[in-house]
This record gives sequence, structure tokens and C-alpha cells, in this order.
Amino acid sequence: EIVLTQSPGTLSLSPGERATLSCRASQSVSSSYLAWYQQKPGQVPRLLIYDASSRDTGIPDRFSGSGSGTDFTLTISRLEPEDFAVYYCQLYGTSLTFGGGTKVEIK
Amino acid sequence: QLQLQESGPGLVKPSETLSLTCTVSGGSISSNHYYWGWVRQPPGRGLEWIARIYYSGSTYYNPSLESRVTISVDTSKNQFSLKLNSVTAADTAVYSCARVRSGCCVDIWGQGTMVTVSS
Repeated sequence: EIVLTQSPGTLSLSPGERATLSCRASQSVSSSYLAWYQQKPGQVPRLLIYDASSRDTGIPDRFSGSGSGTDFTLTISRLEPEDFAVYYCQLYGTSLTFGGGTKVEIK
Repeated sequence: QLQLQESGPGLVKPSETLSLTCTVSGGSISSNHYYWGWVRQPPGRGLEWIARIYYSGSTYYNPSLESRVTISVDTSKNQFSLKLNSVTAADTAVYSCARVRSGCCVDIWGQGTMVTVSS
């Protein structure tokens, strides 16, 4: 079973700064079947990115995804106050696995 | 707009079976474009896939839970269900049902229901 490792565990940044979140797979992921979700306290996760780099409907273009194989990245170009949350990557296709999450907190 | 609502006991005794149902409203569970699944999140921790099912009955189970889990679908009631047997305190979590786009990821979540395993 493929394991997804997210880093860092916590990212402390200020509004307006760029956030770079990493998701590494223990084996190569075929067809870039990787998604990113945002979860705020007390809320259900929200789908941001699927197929590694496609933004879901209504997701601002400051969110972008990239990567292939074993290394994937979620980038938030300029953090808005509402972007401080926990972010999860998720593998789909033949396997369903979540990463452990990265918390983006206000510095 | 499609909505998902979990129902079931909030407290289960150790070694017993956790049973939850998800009712789908505002749309049909018998769609070619979606799967239906369960995800859990222990307090203060991350997300964990439990199982996924297609309306025809084909299933996927998390290998780490497969021996204890059964997911089923009832198209006549527009519902799908989860059973997790031999529960322990480690199974205490918020359990959420979810709609999964075929070949993709979760696009709609239920609000989640807290299940505590305790005597």
C-alpha cells in the first residue's frame, strides 16, 4: 500500500506570503491521481485540486498543484486570512490514502 | 443540491459493532458518475479512508480495516451503510460519508457524526 508523507507538519507564515506544501508518495503514483483538500476547524474538507494540478470549480487561482511520480506540491501564491487551515493530500485510483496533513498557521 | 446525512449511535461498547447509515437526498445514489464512501477522523488527527462502494455493489476497502468492515448500498432507500465490528477505543472518531467522483476524489461530504467507543 502506498503511503503519503506530507511536510512540513506545520508551516508558520504571514498573510501575503507564499506557501509551499509537499506530499511524497512511497511509490510512484500512476496517472497523477492525487488530490488536495483544505480543512478548517469544525468543517468538512473542501476539494481544492484533483489530478495533481486541476483546480476544482470555484477554487481561486492562487491555489496551484504540481508534481508527478512520487513528489507533489500544493502552492498558495499569496496567503489570504481564510487560507490558514490544514491541508491534506489524497491518493485515488487503485488505492485510497490520505497524507497526514500540513497545518498552515498565522505567524 | 445533493446532501449526505449520517445516522447511527454515538456510543458503542468495545468489541461490539459500529453501524452507520448515510442517506442521500437531492440526487440519486444510482449514478454512473459517483461512488459512495466512508472516511473517519480521530479527534485531533488526520483523515482515514474506510471503504467505498458503487451503486452496483462493487467495493473497495482500506486494507488495514478490511477484515472488520462491511459497506453496503440500498438503492431503493437511496442509502449506503457501514459496519465496523470488534471495535476498540482506537475506532473513536468522527465518521463522515462522502460522494466520490468516479476516477477521482471526494466532492461532497456529510457533516460527520462522532462515534465514541467506550464501556
